[in-house]
Amino acid sequence: GNSVTQMEGPVTLSEEAFLTINCTYTATGYPSLFWYVQYPGEGLQLLLKATKADDKGSNKGFEATYRKETTSFHLEKGSVQVSDSAVYFCALMVDQFYFGTGTSLTVIP
Amino acid sequence: DSGVTQTPKHLITATGQRVTLRCSPRSGDLSVYWYQQSLDQGLQFLIHYYNGEERAKGNILERFSAQQFPDLHSELNLSSLELGDSALYFCASSVSRTGGSPLHFGNGTRLTVT
Repeated sequence: GNSVTQMEGPVTLSEEAFLTINCTYTATGYPSLFWYVQYPGEGLQLLLKATKADDKGSNKGFEATYRKETTSFHLEKGSVQVSDSAVYFCALMVDQFYFGTGTSLTVIP
Repeated sequence: DSGVTQTPKHLITATGQRVTLRCSPRSGDLSVYWYQQSLDQGLQFLIHYYNGEERAKGNILERFSAQQFPDLHSELNLSSLELGDSALYFCASSVSRTGGSPLHFGNGTRLTVT
């Protein structure tokens, strides 16, 4: 079946630290992959996406590369800010969207 | 602002009651999805409509139903409410029926069943 497994949180980092949130997937066919971010009290917002193998999605300093050989789509940012504190969801799209359980990130000054 | 509008923002009701949640998709989007988000179960897909027709069902209870109207807005009806139905309910819209188009989420309706 189709599923997404992402790193369990919560994750707490100091400002300017390097961030990695792991995401691996299982899918039939050729999925598109997404990262969404949810700030407190809001809905999910698209952060970045990749639609085929080796594509790199990037936005606001965040990056993720679609790795078919390792079925992964890890989210990275070189230097996090307090404003990046949120819950991050990895998702794949084949016949429908499948979301991971979310990883809570807190960045402290 | 995602362009997806959900009303009401908050809803408090008693067990056994029935409520209707409303969603207006982004202009031009034909697909509407409903999700339930609870602390213990994460984001659960409920149902997907495309241009008025049901496309896929997820973990939607028989007490729940939905529809998409000709103007493309959608309503999620929850009946015989139980305490466990307390959650955030999100609507999301997309331009495509299936495929790589991303979802755009509303800010959700927080339902509290007492």
